[in-house]
Amino acid sequence: DAGVIQSPRHEVTEMGQEVTLRCKPISGHDYLFWYRQTMMRGLELLIYFNNNVPIDDSGMPEDRFSAKMPNASFSTLKIQPSEPRDSAVYFCASSLALTSGFTDTQYFGPGTRLTVL
Amino acid sequence: GQQLNQSPQSMFIQEGEDVSMNCTSSSIFNTWLWYKQDPGEGPVLLIALYKAGELTSNGRLTAQFGITRKDSFLNISASIPSDVGIYFCAGHPGSGNTGKLIFGQGTTLQVKP
Repeated sequence: DAGVIQSPRHEVTEMGQEVTLRCKPISGHDYLFWYRQTMMRGLELLIYFNNNVPIDDSGMPEDRFSAKMPNASFSTLKIQPSEPRDSAVYFCASSLALTSGFTDTQYFGPGTRLTVL
Repeated sequence: GQQLNQSPQSMFIQEGEDVSMNCTSSSIFNTWLWYKQDPGEGPVLLIALYKAGELTSNGRLTAQFGITRKDSFLNISASIPSDVGIYFCAGHPGSGNTGKLIFGQGTTLQVKP
């Protein structure tokens, strides 16, 4: 399996511009997670989906952030308009729901390093 | 909200030394996971623990799920330079399964050759 795929790996943009991050989860996984990592705040969960439906978006910092999962093999995280404080590494992860009702371990993508100037 | 307290925050050791780090919580967790993150990469799963008291090894790594279900430790024996990275504990809270993982703050490990 190719693992979780994220694109782009690096993104540099100017304040006010729209940014779209993309993720392809591992085939067959039921859950998809978006995280943000910074030195100050560590690894933060932004939002996660189960069977393409958003379950918990309480970690999304502001209305400028939105996430979609139109199908089981694709998700986007959009920031509009972007601000310098959004600079961080954004990770996508996916996992499989176990028959016991608990989710399996999460597998992370390589991340997108976002720099907003 | 639920939090995991991971310690130490950082370690600087000599190659060949053993390493120990731990995670504690004020509430019960159903699973404990240990991840390692190399520079410029995403976290990679090292060990998963599913039962209280479980002790699991993966090469030079050993981790245990605390009997109270509120803590876990990770040991690395005979450290080598490629052990350098950030180690995260994570767990599924015990209050029902939401699919959500709670992460510790990470332990940064540096190994001097």
